[in-house]
Amino acid sequence: GDSVTQMEGPVTLSEEAFLTINCTYTATGYPSLFWYVQYPGEGLQLLLKATKADDKGSNKGFEATYRKETTSFHLEKGSVQVSDSAVYFCALSDRQGGSEKLVFGKGTKLTVNP
Amino acid sequence: DAGVIQSPRHEVTEMGQEVTLRCKPISGHNSLFWYRQTMMRGLELLIYFNNNVPIDDSGMPEDRFSAKMPNASFSTLKIQPSEPRDSAVYFCASSFRVNEQFFGPGTRLTVL
Repeated sequence: GDSVTQMEGPVTLSEEAFLTINCTYTATGYPSLFWYVQYPGEGLQLLLKATKADDKGSNKGFEATYRKETTSFHLEKGSVQVSDSAVYFCALSDRQGGSEKLVFGKGTKLTVNP
Repeated sequence: DAGVIQSPRHEVTEMGQEVTLRCKPISGHNSLFWYRQTMMRGLELLIYFNNNVPIDDSGMPEDRFSAKMPNASFSTLKIQPSEPRDSAVYFCASSFRVNEQFFGPGTRLTVL
């Protein structure tokens, strides 16, 4: 079945550091790819998405590029802030399957220190 | 917009008791999802509905779990009888377009 693997955390960075969270996927069809963010005590929020190969999703300074050749969707930000501290989830949805289900990775906890 | 509304936000109960979690999706959304989140297992999809009809309940762990969606604006997840291993945060999410899911704040369930 479809699956998502993302780097295990926790990740601890200093403010203004560069962030990369790796995400790779396995899917039989042509999935859409997502990054969701979960701030402490809250539900998940969609951060960005990409629906086809070579698409770049971006939001709030975060970016991720859909790489079909490496089956990857790594999340990056050039300069993190304390307010970016959260848990980040990579996810996919396989449109070919006709399903609305999202398959999530296990999440990566990011802590940004001042 | 009110967003997805879940109640209660916190629930503490004793083993063997019935627990009912409630969800009001965003108005106009036609799909609703129930998830469970634990440290050990991460985020798991329990069941989802489309146009009030259950489409996939393969994630429901046992017969002790049941979910209903009597109308487009309300859903319940019931656990009867509850067990300590059911302790988790339960999220409800809704969507209109395929794949863009909006999550509620969650219900933190503790079964003693």
